[in-house]
Amino acid sequence: DQQVKQNSPSLSVQEGRISILNCDYTNSMFDYFLWYKKYPAEGPTFLISISSIKDKNEDGRFTVFLNKSAKHLSLHIVPSQPGDSAVYFCAADNTDKLIFGTGTRLQVFP
Amino acid sequence: GAVVSQHPSRVICKSGTSVKIECRSLDFQATTMFWYRQFPKKSLMLMATSNEGSKATYEQGVEKDKFLINHASLTLSTLTVTSAHPEDSSFYICSARATPGGSQYNEQFFGPGTRLTVL
Repeated sequence: DQQVKQNSPSLSVQEGRISILNCDYTNSMFDYFLWYKKYPAEGPTFLISISSIKDKNEDGRFTVFLNKSAKHLSLHIVPSQPGDSAVYFCAADNTDKLIFGTGTRLQVFP
Repeated sequence: GAVVSQHPSRVICKSGTSVKIECRSLDFQATTMFWYRQFPKKSLMLMATSNEGSKATYEQGVEKDKFLINHASLTLSTLTVTSAHPEDSSFYICSARATPGGSQYNEQFFGPGTRLTVL
């Protein structure tokens, strides 16, 4: 039972345009969400997070939006850069542990 | 920032042997460490949670006798894959958390991962 889902396994975006990565969850008790970026053969690195008391959090080129009623969050990257090419995981905080989505591979091309 | 290291970064072993992977928090004390396994094109799957000085808590479906976890100090946790088989080949990642369990912000710092290949 996948509690955190990223339905798009891959996304291709032109440099300079906006990348939108989506994530859905099933458990309404989740109250904190995180996005991680992962390069091949490396561990994930933290990007940005959002608490359920907010609907938006922005950090530079990265913005995360949370729609609690839809149990949906999204990560916007603008403008996208080639160095953003990686796998992006969303994760939900389940009290003592993180539950990860399946990841979306983002490719930013020139 | 908080740094977590893993050793070795990759290991190749013969079927039936045991392999130990170390996870260290380099500049902070980790009250809790987590071990994940990542299958190709799959999510990070939590295997177990270990708290310093106590037994690890394993997720459903993870064999605790096969994946031995020791968290002997606040900076070191080890995962030993016993009697490894080819199906154990995977990318194993640890993470460490400094704050006690139950905190609202579950900040975890991840290690670089260990690629295990069992022949």
